[in-house]
Formats: sequence, structure tokens, C-alpha cells
Amino acid sequence: SQQGEEDPQALSIQEGENATMNCSYKTSINNLQWYRQNSGRGLVHLILIRSNEREKHSGRLRVTLDTSKKSSSLLITASRAADTASYFCATDSGGGGADGLTFGKGTHLIIQP
Amino acid sequence: EADIYQTPRYLVIGTGKKITLECSQTMGHDKMYWYQQDPGMELHLIHYSYGVNSTEKGDLSSESTVSRIRTEHFPLTLESARPSHTSQYLCASSEGDNYGYTFGSGTRLTVV
Repeated sequence: SQQGEEDPQALSIQEGENATMNCSYKTSINNLQWYRQNSGRGLVHLILIRSNEREKHSGRLRVTLDTSKKSSSLLITASRAADTASYFCATDSGGGGADGLTFGKGTHLIIQP
Repeated sequence: EADIYQTPRYLVIGTGKKITLECSQTMGHDKMYWYQQDPGMELHLIHYSYGVNSTEKGDLSSESTVSRIRTEHFPLTLESARPSHTSQYLCASSEGDNYGYTFGSGTRLTVV
């Protein structure tokens, strides 16, 4: 069953602008992760935030987590054309049932030069 | 780049054929996963393994089978391919809890 739900489904912005993507989930989590996928290839891990963390940074990426609202956001600052990709959030429920991350449908981000 | 390799990258095969999708990783990770992804859609977990001789089915029912005889190798087999198996298959591995996954480049399978 789908756990993460990204919003918006697609986003088109100008190069240099900031891009914000949101993710909502349904059940309690151990951690939440964000991945990037270029042109239907394999996913690249971007950042992991644990359930007891509220914010995390990595280069131009900033991730927030609000466990009370069961939501997360990914902010990409000063976007570049190379950031064009699909971005997925994935939740780790940390035990019980099938192991493995549960992915949302993703946000397709287009950076226009 | 990634230390996890999937072959073949693309495969077009006729209905009824038996196929094996290969996945190997050189990182010594115990946990490995197979996901299925249709274009523009989310990934669905079809198999996972905690280590050698450990395999489990994922959330999405699949007619495929897997084996884990060696830590580095996690092949996926379809005994009789059907057009409904047309999809992208992604293999991943993880160091453990609270670590991100490393994905292979995927195998895009088309069954005609």
C-alpha cells in the first residue's frame, strides 16, 4: 500500500529559483528518505531524516520533518538545470510486516534555463 | 559511481520465456531488495533479503522468484514471462537500519 504521497506531481521553475516538494505519509515511521531519479534510471539517495529530527541540510538541500502532521518537505535552493529529475520520498516503518522502504509516486521537477 | 550492478540494462523477450535478471553489489551489504516500477509511477517492493539464504516476498505480489546464495548476488527469475511483466526492475542494497539504499541502474523488461 502507498505510504508516501508527494505534492506537487510536477513542478516547473526557472533556473536559480528555489524548488519545494512536499510528502505526506500515513503511519508512524523510523525515518524518511528522499531520492532522485533521472530519466527512469536507478534512484540516488539524497538525504535521510530520522523520526526524532526536525530538519536536516546537505549542500543545497534542506529537509524538514513534522511527525505530528506526518509530512516532510524537500527544498532545493538555487536550482540548476541538472536538478531536473523526479524526486521521491520513501518511508521506513522500522519493523513489522515487509521490510523495505515504501515510496510515493514522486514529483517531476523541471528546471528551465 | 554505484557499486551495485544490474544486467541486462534492456531486455525484450517473447511470452513464455524464462529469464533471470542479475544484480550484484560489491559493498558487502546484507540487505538487498527488488522493486518494480512502471513509467512515472512509484516503486513497489517485490522481494527482499536479509542475507545469505534469506528471501522474503514484498508488498506487491509477484510471480518472480529470487535466491541469495552469496552475499553479493541477488538474481530475480521469471519462469514464464508474460506481457503483464513488462516493467522496470530495480535492485538495491543497504548497510542496515537508518541507512539509505544504493540502487542499480535498473533492467527495463519488455515482454512481447
